[in-house]
Amino acid sequence: KQEVTQIPAALSVPEGENLVLNCSFTDSAIYNLQWFRQDPGKGLTSLLLIQSSQREQTSGRLNASLDKSSGRSTLYIAASQPGDSATYLCAVTAGGSYIPTFGRGTSLIVHP
Amino acid sequence: DADVTQTPRNRITKTGKRIMLECSQTKGHDRMYWYRQDPGLGLRLIYYSFDVKDINKGEISDGYSVSRQAQAKFSLSLESAIPNQTALYFCATSDWQGPPYEQYFGPGTRLTVT
Repeated sequence: KQEVTQIPAALSVPEGENLVLNCSFTDSAIYNLQWFRQDPGKGLTSLLLIQSSQREQTSGRLNASLDKSSGRSTLYIAASQPGDSATYLCAVTAGGSYIPTFGRGTSLIVHP
Repeated sequence: DADVTQTPRNRITKTGKRIMLECSQTKGHDRMYWYRQDPGLGLRLIYYSFDVKDINKGEISDGYSVSRQAQAKFSLSLESAIPNQTALYFCATSDWQGPPYEQYFGPGTRLTVT
């Protein structure tokens, strides 16, 4: 059974810092890995999706990388801003059913 | 208009009541999912549907039932609501026809059972 772990569970940084969120998974036979953002009490917004054949994806200040062999993905946020404060979740789709498995998320606070 | 909509957005109900949460999508996706989210527990899959005739239980289906009325509509029912079903409920869709199998989420329904 696929297990997805996100470390750290919570993170508080000053504005302007570059930061890295981590996602690890136990089954490396994946189809894709998706990073989401969730604001408190709101739905999940897709940020980046990396297919199994890709190593990274970039969108603005966000960069997500994938290393299947080590079972890891990182989400890099450059020059963090208070508006980046949210919970970030990763989801790994693997196996024949294509059902995503979610991590519990990293709660990020960027303070001015 | 949003691609995945959920109604109601908020609902307070009493123990023992039957309640239905509805989800509609305009993305034309085959697959639809229902999740619940609880603080500290992350997202847990309740049911998923590959198409109108294919419905599958997720990891926490007890106490829930679903109906796939059409490709675009997937409803979740709580036959007799209990307080520990208080949670944030999400509907999601994905296109199973081929990679990248990206998921899209609705805005969620906050359910409180008193």
